Amino acid sequence: DQQVKQNSPSLSVQEGRISILNCDYTNSMFDYFLWYKKYPAEGPTFLISISSIKDKNEDGRFTVFLNKSAKHLSLHIVPSQPGDSAVYFCAASANTGGFKTIFGAGTRLFVKA
Amino acid sequence: DSGVTQTPKHLITATGQRVTLRCSPRSGDLSVYWYQQSLDQGLQFLIQYYNGEERAKGNILERFSAQQFPDLHSELNLSSLELGDSALYFCASSGRGFGNTIYFGEGSWLTVV
Repeated sequence: DQQVKQNSPSLSVQEGRISILNCDYTNSMFDYFLWYKKYPAEGPTFLISISSIKDKNEDGRFTVFLNKSAKHLSLHIVPSQPGDSAVYFCAASANTGGFKTIFGAGTRLFVKA
Repeated sequence: DSGVTQTPKHLITATGQRVTLRCSPRSGDLSVYWYQQSLDQGLQFLIQYYNGEERAKGNILERFSAQQFPDLHSELNLSSLELGDSALYFCASSGRGFGNTIYFGEGSWLTVV
């Protein structure tokens, strides 16, 4: 049962353009969402998060949008840089039944110079 | 450096054997999480401990077990190993309460031959 889905396994974007990574979730109890970036042979690193009481959170080139009614969130990277090439994981957690955080399958982003 | 330390970094063992993976969380973090990442797969949540007690359980096989000790370090025990257990095992930790970002270690590569 995939509660957090990233339906695009990969995305290719030109340097300087916008990258949009999408994530859908099914469990309406989720109320905290995170994005992680992962380079090969390294652990995932935290990128940005958003609480369900907000619909947008911005940190430099990274913005996360949350649409609770659609159970959808997205990560925008503007402008995209070659160093952004990595696997991006969406994650969601709920403050019930423990604090377990569920991850999506990841989207591999390629930023072409 | 996330502050989460995992040992060993690499491990090769034979089928049927038992291994123990060790994790030291960030200083002050009470929660420890274990995740499994197989080749090109997403991060599968295994189990979470909070201050020594099991808090949440994911897709953890019965052959696997974990514990968190009074000094808050954690161990993941994998027994009767099968070829399909070959994966990257991540430990992560987070602080007290809900909505805390979880920080990952660099992972332990397990290869079962």
